[in-house]
Amino acid sequence: SAVISQKPSRDICQRGTSLTIQCQVDSQVTMMFWYRQQPGQSLTLIATANQGSEATYESGFVIDKFPISRPNLTFSTLTVSNMSPEDSSIYLCSVEGPRGEKLFFGSGTQLSVL
Amino acid sequence: GEDVEQSLFLSVREGDSSVINCTYTDSSSTYLYWYKQEPGAGLQLLTYIFSNMDMKQDQRLTVLLNKKDKHLSLRIADTQTGDSAIYFCAENPPSGTYKYIFGTGTRLKVLA
Repeated sequence: SAVISQKPSRDICQRGTSLTIQCQVDSQVTMMFWYRQQPGQSLTLIATANQGSEATYESGFVIDKFPISRPNLTFSTLTVSNMSPEDSSIYLCSVEGPRGEKLFFGSGTQLSVL
Repeated sequence: GEDVEQSLFLSVREGDSSVINCTYTDSSSTYLYWYKQEPGAGLQLLTYIFSNMDMKQDQRLTVLLNKKDKHLSLRIADTQTGDSAIYFCAENPPSGTYKYIFGTGTRLKVLA
């Protein structure tokens, strides 16, 4: 299985600020995924991060609010911009296994916005 | 639609078996999964089953798949306090897409 390191593990931020979450994988992967898990909810896919091209965003998520970088095949960042309390969630980075049949997750970033 | 549904809570006594149920609607999914999430942590892949199988056993875990009823279950034998967590079922979309669909999660509480 892939080893995925995500940081920070948690943060408390002020309204109006931005936070960048980093995700590092121990092997090269084609696609990396960013999910949001709101309190008491299931997972919602924010976007797919592709190396060398712009991220593909799901309905309800926009690049201005959640800019994503993917500079190489082992690293990605997700920025949560101009935060409000509604952005308080767990943000999870994930990658598919080499045969594309499993999804592995990082440890998550627990974000609280005051 | 693409909804994966689970009951929200399950409480069992230590040593008993736990059965967590899931229903899904996308019959074209190739794989179905069970993930475990402990407090403040990410999701850990527990086990998964290929859609042409009825059952898969892995140590204390047994997965049953009823494709006709689109029903997936996870049985945990000899449940321990360390099994207390939220369990998510998920389905793998048809080949060529990447949108895994996750259930609402079942919070399992194991009583000592």
